[in-house]
Amino acid sequence: KAGVTQTPRYLIKTRGQQVTLSCSPISGHRSVSWYQQTPGQGLQFLFEYFSETQRNKGNFPGRFSGRQFSNSRSEMNVSTLELGDSALYLCASSLHRDSHTEAFFGQGTRLTVV
Amino acid sequence: AQTVTQSQPEMSVQEAETVTLSCTYDTSESNYYLFWYKQPPSRQMILVIRQEAYKQQNATENRFSVNFQKAAKSFSLKISDSQLGDTAMYFCAFRIAGGTSYGKLTFGQGTILTVHP
Repeated sequence: KAGVTQTPRYLIKTRGQQVTLSCSPISGHRSVSWYQQTPGQGLQFLFEYFSETQRNKGNFPGRFSGRQFSNSRSEMNVSTLELGDSALYLCASSLHRDSHTEAFFGQGTRLTVV
Repeated sequence: AQTVTQSQPEMSVQEAETVTLSCTYDTSESNYYLFWYKQPPSRQMILVIRQEAYKQQNATENRFSVNFQKAAKSFSLKISDSQLGDTAMYFCAFRIAGGTSYGKLTFGQGTILTVHP
């Protein structure tokens, strides 16, 4: 069974641009969550989607948005990029919406904003 | 709001020895789950062990075990017979059971563990 796939693995963007990151969950998983990982702030929750609906959102500005498609694949978009958006963005998928189910993580997308 | 604190930024241990990583958390919730995740240099987060707050028995997974002290809000990870492959960043994480938090995991700052041959 294929794991969580995130594309691209690496990305370099210029300040002011926008970027879209993609996450394909494990087959059959319907919940997808996104996290931002930086050396200073650690791992922070961005948002979570289940059945194409955003169910929970972290404390990030409106420049960060996401969506989920009917096949459970998810995209995350960051508009008007800032230097501080440079981070590793991790996606996690879970089988159910229940909080006890294990979250499986992808290898992340390393975004560098210059 | 929930917080998770890992007070040991770095730890090291000799191969085959035992090491304990500390984690404390703060919450007003009574029903929740605690996790330890491992992130090796490959960056992929891997679940090491999970503990349900309503269970008094400490979880164990092969060489990994936890010491869960609910009253003290403490959740430490013990790694026995350490192996070189255990070298990684370890994160303690918290998730509320039910409610509207759904998939949100709250992570600690992480502990870098190095296993020396």
